[in-house]
Amino acid sequence: GQQVMQIPQYQHVQEGEDFTTYCNSSTTLSNIQWYKQRPGGHPVFLIQLVKSGEVKKQKRLTFQFGEAKKNSSLHITATQTTDVGTYFCAGPRDNNDMRFGAGTRLTVKP
Amino acid sequence: DGGITQSPKYLFRKEGQNVTLSCEQNLNHDAMYWYRQDPGQGLRLIYYSQIVNDFQKGDIAEGYSVSREKKESFPLTVTSAQKNPTAFYLCASSMRGASTDTQYFGPGTRLTVL
Repeated sequence: GQQVMQIPQYQHVQEGEDFTTYCNSSTTLSNIQWYKQRPGGHPVFLIQLVKSGEVKKQKRLTFQFGEAKKNSSLHITATQTTDVGTYFCAGPRDNNDMRFGAGTRLTVKP
Repeated sequence: DGGITQSPKYLFRKEGQNVTLSCEQNLNHDAMYWYRQDPGQGLRLIYYSQIVNDFQKGDIAEGYSVSREKKESFPLTVTSAQKNPTAFYLCASSMRGASTDTQYFGPGTRLTVL
């Protein structure tokens, strides 16, 4: 079945450093979503990418969807302590429910 | 104030007992979902429902049961058949259940089996 792999599993950075998490699918995705879960909280939707090669920005966050629509990335420029949390990508399966990646847990040292 | 509510926030259960987790939404969404979250394993789908009185198994449905008698409610029962039920359970909803719909999550219920 369709798999969504996410790397790295953990990332620890110094405040001000950049951070990137990658999401790879074994099959072509019609769309991909990104969610953020703060420690002790629940996942919150960040963005959706639909088009091949699409790039979207939200302040210091840059989201990319690969040309083949099999991979995606989330890049955070100059991390802040408020960026701490786990970032998940999610892609659709044949029956339209979403499969979530295992997530990348980001910690930021002030 | 619209959203998804889950209760209780923390739940303790003795081994061998069934327990029901509540999930209610007032977003008028058609689709609802139950996920289980364990450390390092992301979100795994237990059951989902795209319409009242209908639901489908997800990846890890064994030992769980659900009902969808009302649009706004999707309770999850963790039965004694579930081998390792201690986990964080998240309920979510989306407008139509389409892959392009945003999923809105409740605050979660942390279940501990003693």
